[in-house]
Amino acid sequence: EDQVTQSPEALRLQEGESSSLNCSYTVSGLRGLFWYRQDPGKGPEFLFTLYSAGEEKEKERLKATLTKKESFLHITAPKPEDSATYLCAVQAPRGGGADGLTFGKGTHLIIQP
Amino acid sequence: NAGVMQNPRHLVRRRGQEARLRCSPMKGHSHVYWYRQLPEEGLKFMVYLQKENIIDESGMPKERFSAEFPKEGPSILRIQQVVRGDSAAYFCASSPRGQGGGAAFFGQGTRLTVV
Repeated sequence: EDQVTQSPEALRLQEGESSSLNCSYTVSGLRGLFWYRQDPGKGPEFLFTLYSAGEEKEKERLKATLTKKESFLHITAPKPEDSATYLCAVQAPRGGGADGLTFGKGTHLIIQP
Repeated sequence: NAGVMQNPRHLVRRRGQEARLRCSPMKGHSHVYWYRQLPEEGLKFMVYLQKENIIDESGMPKERFSAEFPKEGPSILRIQQVVRGDSAAYFCASSPRGQGGGAAFFGQGTRLTVV
């Protein structure tokens, strides 16, 4: 069974204090790893897709990296508006070749001014 | 270009009633996914549909739950005879082609409360 574990569950940082969020996964035949951001009461907002080990993607203060067992979401000099829950998800072949994502429980990130 | 539209945003049902949740995908998107988010739990895949076809329903409970995506109109997630354990946020996502649900765009969700 596909598994995704995110750590830490919660993280509180001061504005400008860089850090990393971890996503460890166990999956047979990874087709893709995805990062989403979710604000309270809203749907997940797509951030990145990573397909192979060594791949990196960047967007503003965020950078996602991928190895064969885990992914990191690095946040550099965060601002209070970066506060959100960050979700990691993996996609792997299912019976019949279907496409749903398996999500982790997320990291709740708070950036204090 | 409007995003994924879900309605209603909030739905209250008494135990034993039926709940119908609607999802209109983004314009040009023909692939729809439904997910459920329970309190303190991660998002759980339920079903993947294309127009008039259920592609993967491996995450759907075997009883009381059904989904459709007709040729015309929104996708519908239907829950019959709701129980308190069905209380959750239900999210719909759409993608333009069979990308595998990855770069899928989510709606704001329907929060179902069963009383």
